[in-house]
This record gives sequence, C-alpha cells and structure tokens, in this order.
Amino acid sequence: AQKVTQAQTEISVVEKEDVTLDCVYETRDTTYYLFWYKQPPSGELVFLIRRNSFDEQNEISGRYSWNFQKSTSSFNFTITASQVVDSAVYFCALSWGYGNKLVFGAGTILRVKS
Amino acid sequence: SAVISQKPSRDICQRGTSLTIQCQVDSQVTMMFWYRQQPGQSLTLIATANQGSEATYESGFVIDKFPISRPNLTFSTLTVSNMSPEDSSIYLCSAKGGHYEQYFGPGTRLTVT
Repeated sequence: AQKVTQAQTEISVVEKEDVTLDCVYETRDTTYYLFWYKQPPSGELVFLIRRNSFDEQNEISGRYSWNFQKSTSSFNFTITASQVVDSAVYFCALSWGYGNKLVFGAGTILRVKS
Repeated sequence: SAVISQKPSRDICQRGTSLTIQCQVDSQVTMMFWYRQQPGQSLTLIATANQGSEATYESGFVIDKFPISRPNLTFSTLTVSNMSPEDSSIYLCSAKGGHYEQYFGPGTRLTVT
C-alpha cells in the first residue's frame, strides 16, 4: 500500500530557528515521486518541490532544503532561519507509476513566532 | 505551471440540496482531480476527471453522490448531491503538470446546515 507518514502534528519555533519537517513514505513501486506542498492560512496549496525515485540528490532553494534518503524511505524538509511567513501546514505527498494519484500525509502545522 | 480558478469560493447550503463547483484551468491538461479536505484534516482524492470518459472514483466515493463532468481539456465540475452536514469540507480541484506535480485551485469552502 502507498502511504505517507508525517509524525509531527505541530511544531512551534521562534523566528530565525532552523526547523526540519519529517516525512516517511511506503511504496512497493520502484518508480515514484515525492512532493512537498505548503498550505498557508489562506488555504491554497502551493507546490514546493518534486523528487523522483531515481534522483537522490539533495536540493537547496534559498532557505529551503530537502533531504531524500531511499535507505530510510524519508524525504525531509528543512527551513533555515525560519520566518513568520513560513507559518503554514506542510504536506508531504507521494505518487507512483505513471504519477497520477497523489497520496498525502496528515500534514505538519508549523508555527513561527516572532 | 497551471493557474486554476474555482467557483464558488465558499457557500452555505441547506441539507438535502446539491451544489456544483466549477474548476477552470488556464491551459489544456490531460488529468484533473478532485479532492476533499475535511476540517483540520489532510486531502483525500475523490476522483480523477478524464476528458471524454467517465470519472474514476476512489474507494468510498460514488458517482451518485459526487457526479463529475469534464467536457474539455480546461474545465471540470464536481457536484455534491443531497448534502448533509458531514459534507462540510473544502473541495479542491487540481491539474497534473508536466512532471507529475499537481497544481491546485484555491478551494471551495462548503458549509452544510
């Protein structure tokens, strides 16, 4: 079965702290895709990143970085020097095969206090 | 990336009535999807809307309750039929991008009284 687990329900940090959001996935497929989405209080889902199963290279985009490790089936997301605007719900998601369906984790609420 | 709009953005409906939600994409896309997000919960896929064929529904969702239309490559509708308070949720449509990512509309916040 395809499954995504985000064990952290809610994280609170003070501005400028670094924070890591955990994501563990399960799939039997050898071809799969992992995603992170941000849902700010306005409600709209914002696509942040996609990774395919053949590319384990970590990625950095500004204050955001992602660590993909197939050995532990994890795709963790780190925000460096967090800001209040980072406060949102963050979802990790998985698709497989031809990449049609998305299965979402439960989400992690991130609260960044000033 | 695709830009997606939804109408209405929110509605309050009476029990037993139906509501049709419209989803418009700014470019032609092969795959469109409908999700439900219950209060404080994650997203659950309702169905995949295929152009030219019937929608494919996920386990727990049926066509009589959530009929879907997909008349062309830029537009889809989802109807929530015979509503009950349990149908109060955010309904989101999405479109599949060129590299398997999905782009989401702003959602329709439905409250059933």
